[in-house]
Amino acid sequence: GAGVSQTPSNKVTEKGKYVELRCDPISGHTALYWYRQSLGQGPEFLIYFQGTGAADDSGLPNDRFFAVRPEGSVSTLKIQRTERGDSAVYLCASSSLGGNEQFFGPGTRLTVL
Amino acid sequence: KQEVTQIPAALSVPEGENLVLNCSFTDSAIYNLQWFRQDPGKGLTSLLLIQSSQREQTSGRLNASLDKSSGRSTLYIAASQPGDSATYLCAVDEGGSEKLVFGKGTKLTVNP
Repeated sequence: GAGVSQTPSNKVTEKGKYVELRCDPISGHTALYWYRQSLGQGPEFLIYFQGTGAADDSGLPNDRFFAVRPEGSVSTLKIQRTERGDSAVYLCASSSLGGNEQFFGPGTRLTVL
Repeated sequence: KQEVTQIPAALSVPEGENLVLNCSFTDSAIYNLQWFRQDPGKGLTSLLLIQSSQREQTSGRLNASLDKSSGRSTLYIAASQPGDSATYLCAVDEGGSEKLVFGKGTKLTVNP
């Protein structure tokens, strides 16, 4: 595709449920990033993949959050036992090998009731 | 720990004005600074990337400068238009890592 895509665009779930958020990076981009943005704040880093491996997961808030990128392209962010505080917009970005510029997708708005 | 501050938090100007948005960061050991635009309910659009060896970048009516030693960047918008209304975010990498640290943004409103 021409840009980074994310699905679903909106997700409403109940407290305690499990959710998966998907990111399709720009074709050929080897680096993929997940960020989380709360209302009125800038995005906050969660995790960074280079290829299939998580090169930096220091931003994941706790062990309920997990992300995978099994084939080095599409990535899935998984949240277990969701809490109301997990409500936010989850943004995905990608960049090319050796590239510095990150390109963002439209985000998934997660609402935990 | 890298911290990014953007001033002002909000700005309202009449159409046609030139304006400057400010960004400051606490750790000058950066490789890149990136300016983004975010429209309500949307993702981020990359506007300009300045590498640490550069002092400025220009794209159309936008000009971004970087003073790495003082931890400051400015985004200059010439001849503002109502379509420029959006939130502008500044981000820098942390300690040369790949992750970006963002400011809270400046919400710009350009009135026709």
